[in-house]
Amino acid sequence: AQTVTQSQPEMSVQEAETVTLSCTYDTSENNYYLFWYKQPPSRQMILVIRQEAYKQQNATENRFSVNFQKAAKSFSLKISDSQLGDTAMYFCAFLNRDDKIIFGKGTRLHILP
Amino acid sequence: DAGVTQSPTHLIKTRGQQVTLRCSPISGHKSVSWYQQVLGQGPQFIFQYYEKEERGRGNFPDRFSARQFPNYSSELNVNALLLGDSALYLCASSLHRASQPRNTIYFGEGSWLTVV
Repeated sequence: AQTVTQSQPEMSVQEAETVTLSCTYDTSENNYYLFWYKQPPSRQMILVIRQEAYKQQNATENRFSVNFQKAAKSFSLKISDSQLGDTAMYFCAFLNRDDKIIFGKGTRLHILP
Repeated sequence: DAGVTQSPTHLIKTRGQQVTLRCSPISGHKSVSWYQQVLGQGPQFIFQYYEKEERGRGNFPDRFSARQFPNYSSELNVNALLLGDSALYLCASSLHRASQPRNTIYFGEGSWLTVV
């Protein structure tokens, strides 16, 4: 079975600091996509960053970057210069070849002023 | 351009009743997927439709059904509601099938269903 595990249910960090959210996944597929989604209190799922498994280069989007370790099946998200607006639930997700997105249970991130 | 729109945004139903949730994808998007998000959990895949055909189904009972219309909008139906069906139901749309390269998936704001 394909699974996504987020081992940090909740994290807090001071504004402007850097924080890393962990994610591991399990699959036998070789080509797939990985995502980090942000879900603020409004509940809309917002794509933060995407990584194609066949690309070795880690994806970056402004203050957001990932550390993708394919052999270890690890996909962590680093948020630099954190801002109050980054406060949200963050979901790590895996898109398989059957077009299903499999989500982890989420990490609740609090950015403290 | 309008994003993915879902209706209703909130509703309350009684156990045993039936509910229909609606989703309008982004204009031009042919793929629609449905997810159930129970409080405190990540979303769980229910269905995917592409070009009006069911392309995938998650581990949900037959009380859950869906369809996609010629204009690519979609409905999710749940019969014989149980308390455990209380959740946020998310619709996602994309231009192509979800796993196509460089295909971006967009989510709506969801429909909150409370079963009492």
